[in-house]
Amino acid sequence: EVQLVESGGGLVQPGGSLRLSCAASGFTFSNYWLSWVRQAPGKGLEWLANIKGDGSTKYYVDSVKGRFTISRDNAENSLYLQMNSLRAEDTALYYCARATYWFFDLWGRGTLVTVSS
Amino acid sequence: QSVLTQPPSVSAAPGQKVTISCSGSSSNIANNYVSWYRHLPGTAPKLLIYDNNKRPSGIPDRFSGSKSGASATLGITGLQTGDEADYYCGAWDSSLSVWFFGGGTKLTVL
Repeated sequence: EVQLVESGGGLVQPGGSLRLSCAASGFTFSNYWLSWVRQAPGKGLEWLANIKGDGSTKYYVDSVKGRFTISRDNAENSLYLQMNSLRAEDTALYYCARATYWFFDLWGRGTLVTVSS
Repeated sequence: QSVLTQPPSVSAAPGQKVTISCSGSSSNIANNYVSWYRHLPGTAPKLLIYDNNKRPSGIPDRFSGSKSGASATLGITGLQTGDEADYYCGAWDSSLSVWFFGGGTKLTVL
């Protein structure tokens, strides 16, 4: 089955770190750009970062640049998001999404991150 | 405030037609493809329209997309109560090298 499954969310204190994972199956993982997208409570979708199929190119939104790092392991068919210096406003449901050219055609169901003391 | 501007909400009766607008700029919508997504909070977003006006397999022709200049529109005909959801446009911004989603539009089928 073609799918993306996120994991690694949880409760973390402000200033803390968390690493999210996204396990892919059912398609040739290395052929695709992948992204992380989040939705904070009561807010819309916010794109965070993407990474090219071979991992050579990455882009980030300004709000997470320098704090979050996107990476991938094509041998393990896995995407990661290392999140440091977490803030209350990073509380959100985090999705991974597969990018096909200029759109996202496959999404996971998300993993919840709560930043609170 | 998103770079791509959508109305916060739209509504229409069952069986009617509704359109949702998405306004951007020359660095995103005007010169890149637009896609549209349906989202129920807490679930996986679903691709409805890609490359401005193409429908993925399995998306009924009740859903349509168009683009003119720096604006795009999602149209939904034959509204059903099951269409109630949040709808987002999205486009890459070539100047900022960032992907933007619109702020989202909540569709209510009265």
